[in-house]
Amino acid sequence: NAGVTQTPKFRVLKTGQSMTLLCAQDMNHEYMYWYRQDPGMGLRLIHYSVGEGTTAKGEVPDGYNVSRLKKQNFLLGLESAAPSQTSVYFCASSRTGSQYFGPGTRLTVL
Amino acid sequence: RKEVEQDPGPFNVPEGATVAFNCTYSNSASQSFFWYRQDCRKEPKLLMSVYSSGNEDGRFTAQLNRASQYISLLIRDSKLSDSATYLCVVSNAGNNRKLIWGLGTSLAVNP
Repeated sequence: NAGVTQTPKFRVLKTGQSMTLLCAQDMNHEYMYWYRQDPGMGLRLIHYSVGEGTTAKGEVPDGYNVSRLKKQNFLLGLESAAPSQTSVYFCASSRTGSQYFGPGTRLTVL
Repeated sequence: RKEVEQDPGPFNVPEGATVAFNCTYSNSASQSFFWYRQDCRKEPKLLMSVYSSGNEDGRFTAQLNRASQYISLLIRDSKLSDSATYLCVVSNAGNNRKLIWGLGTSLAVNP
């Protein structure tokens, strides 16, 4: 099992560009999450999904959109990147309580 | 007040030392509790769940005090490889399985 994978691992964008981060899990988990982690701020939930075809806002959803068309995939989109979105993005999945994380995507917006 | 509070540290201890971390949470309805470990520039990984009766996994012991709303993690015989940030995590009632994360406590184990 690969667990939770994320692509890409690194990306540099210019302000205003768009991109999609892909998260995939092979554990048949119902729940999936997108977080961002910034120094001194801890993990903050962007969006989450409780099952295929469903999504919901977390605590910092502005500037992001998500889709969960297949159970194993959870996509995070940035429509118009801003420097404030420079961060490390983690995807996670769970079946019960604990969450399993992907290795993260380091995004820099210039 | 943050929902989950931890002393950020850093804790600097010699190899072989015993170190304890505490964490407090504000929501008395919280149902599940965890300790995660995060190495520098890596993803968080589950260290252990925390049960009401307390639980042990090798050198690690976790305790929960619901009345005082705090969780503890004890590491015995510290190893260099224990150096990391330890995150206290709480799950509240509800079916979305969302977790509330502390900011973490940094541990450095020195030779």
